[in-house]
Amino acid sequence: KQEVTQIPAALSVPEGENLVLNCSFTDSAIYNLQWFRQDPGKGLTSLLLIQSSQREQTSGRLNASLDKSSGRSTLYIAASQPGDSATYLCAVRDIIQGAQKLVFGQGTRLTINP
Amino acid sequence: KAGVTQTPRYLIKTRGQQVTLSCSPISGHRSVSWYQQTPGQGLQFLFEYFSETQRNKGNFPGRFSGRQFSNSRSEMNVSTLELGDSALYLCASSLPSNTIYFGEGSWLTVV
Repeated sequence: KQEVTQIPAALSVPEGENLVLNCSFTDSAIYNLQWFRQDPGKGLTSLLLIQSSQREQTSGRLNASLDKSSGRSTLYIAASQPGDSATYLCAVRDIIQGAQKLVFGQGTRLTINP
Repeated sequence: KAGVTQTPRYLIKTRGQQVTLSCSPISGHRSVSWYQQTPGQGLQFLFEYFSETQRNKGNFPGRFSGRQFSNSRSEMNVSTLELGDSALYLCASSLPSNTIYFGEGSWLTVV
């Protein structure tokens, strides 16, 4: 049974710092991995999708890496801003092509202090 | 292009009642899935539909059911509500093997 763990559970940093969020999963037979952010009381916003054959994806100040063999992914946020404050969730997707089932970590609650 | 739309956004129900939540996926998306989010359990997969057929089901009791219509819109139903069913219910849609997009969710409170 796939299990996803995110460390740390909460992180507070001053504005402008670069930071790394970690995600680990127990079964390396994944199809892809997706990072989301969730603002309080809101749904999930997709940030980055990494297919199992890829090593990393970038979007603006965000960079996500994937090491499938070791069961790890990281989300790197450069030059953090107060607007980046949110809960960040990683989720892995079954190996069955097209299947939409995601297994989520518990999230990292990020606070960027002005 | 409109995102995933969920209705209603907020609702309060009494124990023992039933509730129906609705989801309209992004135009062209035929896969729709549902998740339950609670503070204690986090995000848990409920079920997935593709072309009106349930393709996957999570580990939830039979009180939780769903369906998908020919226009890809989906509904989920919870019967005989319990206090523990209070949660944010999220719907998601995608093209095959592609990015999954979520709606804003339906907040259900059972009293």
